[in-house]
Amino acid sequence: GDSVTQMEGPVTLSEEAFLTINCTYTATGYPSLFWYVQYPGEGLQLLLKATKADDKGSNKGFEATYRKETTSFHLEKGSVQVSDSAVYFCALSDSDYKLSFGAGTTVTVRA
Amino acid sequence: DAGITQSPRYKITETGRQVTLMCHQTWSHSYMFWYRQDLGHGLRLIYYSAAADITDKGEVSDGYVVSRSKTENFPLTLESATRSQTSVYFCASSPDRVSASNQPQHFGDGTRLSIL
Repeated sequence: GDSVTQMEGPVTLSEEAFLTINCTYTATGYPSLFWYVQYPGEGLQLLLKATKADDKGSNKGFEATYRKETTSFHLEKGSVQVSDSAVYFCALSDSDYKLSFGAGTTVTVRA
Repeated sequence: DAGITQSPRYKITETGRQVTLMCHQTWSHSYMFWYRQDLGHGLRLIYYSAAADITDKGEVSDGYVVSRSKTENFPLTLESATRSQTSVYFCASSPDRVSASNQPQHFGDGTRLSIL
C-alpha cells in the first residue's frame, strides 16, 4: 500500500538557518504529493503541493520538488524564522480523495 | 463564519463510556474525513464519507462509528471508549478530487480526547 516516510525529529535550528526535512514515498501509481504544517493548538494547513514529476511546489519561502526517480519530496527553506516552529507532515494521494501521512517532524526555531 | 468546526475541543471521559465528537462544515464539501493523531504515527484515517449517507472505513476504524445524514455534519462516535483511543482527533473536508484542488483537505482545529 501507499506509505510516506519522513525524517524523525525533533529538529532544532537557529533563526536564519537552512532547513531540510526529508520525505520519501511508496505508491503504486502516480501520486500527488503534499506538505502540511501544524502550528501549536491548530489543525493542519496545506503548505505546498506537487501533482506530477519534476513539479516544484512553493509557499512562504518553502520549496519541495517531486522527484520520481528517487521517490522523494524533500522540504527546504533557506532561512527559517521563529514563526516557522511547527510540525510538518509529508503526505501523498494516490486516489481522488484519500491522503496518507508521514509521522510528522517537529521543528523548533530558536531566536 | 465559514469553515470547519469541531466540538468539543477537549474531552475527558472514562473507559466504557460512549462519546461523540462533532464535526460541522459550512462549505457543502462532498468529502469528509476523520483522523486520529498519535505521536510517531502521524495522522491515520478512521472513516471517510464521499457524500451524505455514504461512509467507508479507513485504516483504524475498529471501535468507531460514523454517520452522515446531512452533508455538513459528520459525527464520530466511540461506542465504548478504551484507553487506546486517547488521542487528538481531526475532522477534514474536501470539495473535490485531491489533485485538482488548491486546498485538498481543510482541517478543523481538533478534539483532544482523554480516556481514563
